[in-house]
Amino acid sequence: QSVLTQPPSASGTPGQRVTISCSGSSSNIGNNYVYWYQQLPGTAPKLLIYKNNQRPSGVPDRFSGSKSGTSASLAISGLRSEDEADYYCAAWDDRLSGHAVFGGGTQLTVL
Amino acid sequence: QLQLQESGPGLVKPSETLSLTCTVSSGSIRSGSYYWGWIRQPPGKGLEWIASFYYSGSTYYNPSLKSRVIISVDTSKNQFSLKLSSVTATDTAVYYCASGEYIGMSAWFDPWGQGTLVTVSS
Repeated sequence: QSVLTQPPSASGTPGQRVTISCSGSSSNIGNNYVYWYQQLPGTAPKLLIYKNNQRPSGVPDRFSGSKSGTSASLAISGLRSEDEADYYCAAWDDRLSGHAVFGGGTQLTVL
Repeated sequence: QLQLQESGPGLVKPSETLSLTCTVSSGSIRSGSYYWGWIRQPPGKGLEWIASFYYSGSTYYNPSLKSRVIISVDTSKNQFSLKLSSVTATDTAVYYCASGEYIGMSAWFDPWGQGTLVTVSS
């Protein structure tokens, strides 16, 4: 059971906007930055969003992140078939001397 | 642009020690700008953070794995290593090494190595 809670699946049709939620607590999301990763089938995860809402160079602005209190969200607008992937949220957790925690992952299907 | 590459045996026997090395190129492990980490992913499952360290600072461990994990650094080869002792089948996973921009310890991992599958089986 993951410390950060994500829905196991999400779906949308091309062009649609979808959001993926990530719920945590005051010791992780509530007090630290949230990061989002995209993992295409058979590949290593790729950083999608850093520091809650910043996009690395090369990530389309269709991807956006937000955080409020102990929850965060990833939004994907103008959904494309190539967005079909697993998405993970992550944050640092201040408990037990500090450690990183990941969400369980959300499998996004483009219908 | 930093590049990381994992290496090590793909098969480890139960109760033995898993040993992996991450070779860093286009950057120095001693850089004050980055920290370094290991993450794993069992087949068909999600990501699990193992440990992270900052070269001139502390090492941080997943509480559930801490008693079995050792992280070491070889600056002469620009490598860092993971040793996980007393492995069982549940340690079968793709193991990734990754780096993060140091702003204090965080869950920022970019880039990642390509990953290496380690199977625990007799």
